[in-house]
This record gives sequence, structure tokens and C-alpha cells, in this order.
Amino acid sequence: EPEVTQTPSHQVTQMGQEVILRCVPISNHLYFYWYRQILGQKVEFLVSFYNNEISEKSEIFDDQFSVERPDGSNFTLKIRSTKLEDSAMYFCASSGSMGGNNEQFFGPGTRLTVL
Amino acid sequence: AQSVSQHNHHVILSEAASLELGCNYSYGGTVNLFWYVQYPGQHLQLLLKYFSGDPLVKGIKGFEAEFIKSKFSFNLRKPSVQWSDTAEYFCAVNSPNQGGKLIFGQGTELSVKP
Repeated sequence: EPEVTQTPSHQVTQMGQEVILRCVPISNHLYFYWYRQILGQKVEFLVSFYNNEISEKSEIFDDQFSVERPDGSNFTLKIRSTKLEDSAMYFCASSGSMGGNNEQFFGPGTRLTVL
Repeated sequence: AQSVSQHNHHVILSEAASLELGCNYSYGGTVNLFWYVQYPGQHLQLLLKYFSGDPLVKGIKGFEAEFIKSKFSFNLRKPSVQWSDTAEYFCAVNSPNQGGKLIFGQGTELSVKP
């Protein structure tokens, strides 16, 4: 069964450093999402992406964040200068079509620890 | 703005006990409703979803949920839990005609004792 994969599973970085979290969505999916979950808090939407551009982003997704689909398979989330409060589990998701009436398939997550 | 509340943070049950996890949402328009499960060390998986039609929805692994529009609720139920149901359960909503962004509840950790 096709699945979303994410690398690395755990990333430790120093405050102020750049990190890139990688996701490989399901191959025929066209819509991609990033969510994050700070320890003990809710899973929060960050951004959705379609046709090589951002469809929607949350207030969390400020100028420090960017997303990219550099090739036909990867979907990346970059944090330019990490802060302590960026420590969280980051989930990538993909779906076959946009809109609410579609299941999103989630990856296993990347745990980001900012020291 | 949409929001989702899950009232139970941690539920502990013995095997064969019945389960009901509460989920309430806040949104004035039409919503789609989802329950996701995350088994230890695994990714979020869809248990069931409601878009329209019969408000009683059957999902995988014997789970079901009932949409009660008047109560803004979508509670998850299972008549008899198993040890393998130990996991974290997330309720989520989105709007049918918008971009698909999911709004999650805070999750309920279910521990089933053998």
C-alpha cells in the first residue's frame, strides 16, 4: 500500500540554524500539506501546496518557513532560522485532490528538537 | 474560526469494555468530520469520516461515530475494545468547499489493559 514517507525521523539542531524536513508524498497525489504538533498540544495546520504554489497558510507559517517541491517526488519544509519554540513533531500529508471531501494520508512525522 | 474539543485527555479501559470518546466542534457552516488514530510509533491513519448522509458512520476495526448536528458532536464508539486499540485518537474537521485544511482536537490517549 502506498504511503507518505518523511526524513529524518528525528532532527536535532541549534537555535538559529536552518533545517530542511523532507517528505515523499504518495506518487499520484497532487495536494500536499504540512502540520506540526508541539508536545502536549494539538496538531496544527501550517500550509497546503498545489501546482507548485502555496494554496493556504496559517499564521504560524511566517517568513521563517518555506515549502518547495524541488523535483517530482519530494516536498520539503524549510525553517530558515530555528527558534526554541519550533521544537515539535512535523507531519507531512498528501491527498489525491483538493477540497474538504478528500482523505489526507499522513507520514510518520519528523521530530525536530531545537537546542 | 473552527475549533475542535476532545474532552478526554487519557482514557484507561480493560479489554472488552465499551468505548466512547467525545468530540465537539465549533463552526457555523457545513463540515466534514474525521477520526484519525495514531498507534505507538506509527503515523496518523484514518479511522472513519463523515461527509453527508447517514449520520452513523462505520469505520475500520469495528469503530463507529455518530454525527449529531444539534450538539455539534461526532463521538467515536466501539462496543468492545482490544489491547491492540491502545493508541492516540484525534478528531478533526474541515470545510467541504475549502482547501482541505484539517482542524484537529487535542487528542485522546487510550490505554487498554489486557
